[in-house]
Amino acid sequence: QVQLVESGGGLVKPGGSLRLSCAASGFTFSDYYMSWIRQAPGKGPEWLSYITGSSSYTNYADSVKGRFTISRDNAKNSLYLQMNSLRAEDTAVYYCASRYYDSAGYPHDVFGLWGQGTMVTVSS
Amino acid sequence: EIVLTQSPGILSLSPGERATLSCRASQSVSSSYLAWYQQKPGQAPRLLIYGASSRTTGIPDRFSGGGSGTDFSLTISRLEPEDFAVYYCQQYGRSPWTFGQGTKVEIK
Repeated sequence: QVQLVESGGGLVKPGGSLRLSCAASGFTFSDYYMSWIRQAPGKGPEWLSYITGSSSYTNYADSVKGRFTISRDNAKNSLYLQMNSLRAEDTAVYYCASRYYDSAGYPHDVFGLWGQGTMVTVSS
Repeated sequence: EIVLTQSPGILSLSPGERATLSCRASQSVSSSYLAWYQQKPGQAPRLLIYGASSRTTGIPDRFSGGGSGTDFSLTISRLEPEDFAVYYCQQYGRSPWTFGQGTKVEIK
């Protein structure tokens, strides 16, 4: 079935690194822009980054620019987020999500399919 | 960046009642690039509305979105038990895409 499954979360010390993965299935992964979004406990979601289907372009929120790197491997139907120099304020559930296409096939920069999320805790 | 402010923070209503949620943007959202999501505890957000007023596939017509510029709204015409959740707006007219802080619709 159509789904996204994140993995790689866990407990990491401030200044440490972590790599998140997102496995896609049930759709043509390479056709979709993909994003990472996080949600701190009790807060609204925060978009972090997106990557185009061919990896030709990436974009980042200022809060993670220079520390996080988004990438994908279309042969493996996988999306990644390399997170370096982690801080306590990076503690959140991290979701991968795909761009939404309407019934006419027109793309919209909203998030139509989400994974179940993976928890990242940054604490000493 | 465009800041989205949702109100009220909590809406206490009974099943069958009408719910009206507000989302105000700090700058005009171009082309009504405004979406609404529903989130239940322990779940990821679910896309309900995009383009300010277009429902995604499978979303009941009791959900309707409206507005333009800086003021948008989500209306649930008659609350069903499964509608009690947190709702978020998101703008995608200008990068970085941003979300509001949410409105919780709780059972009165």
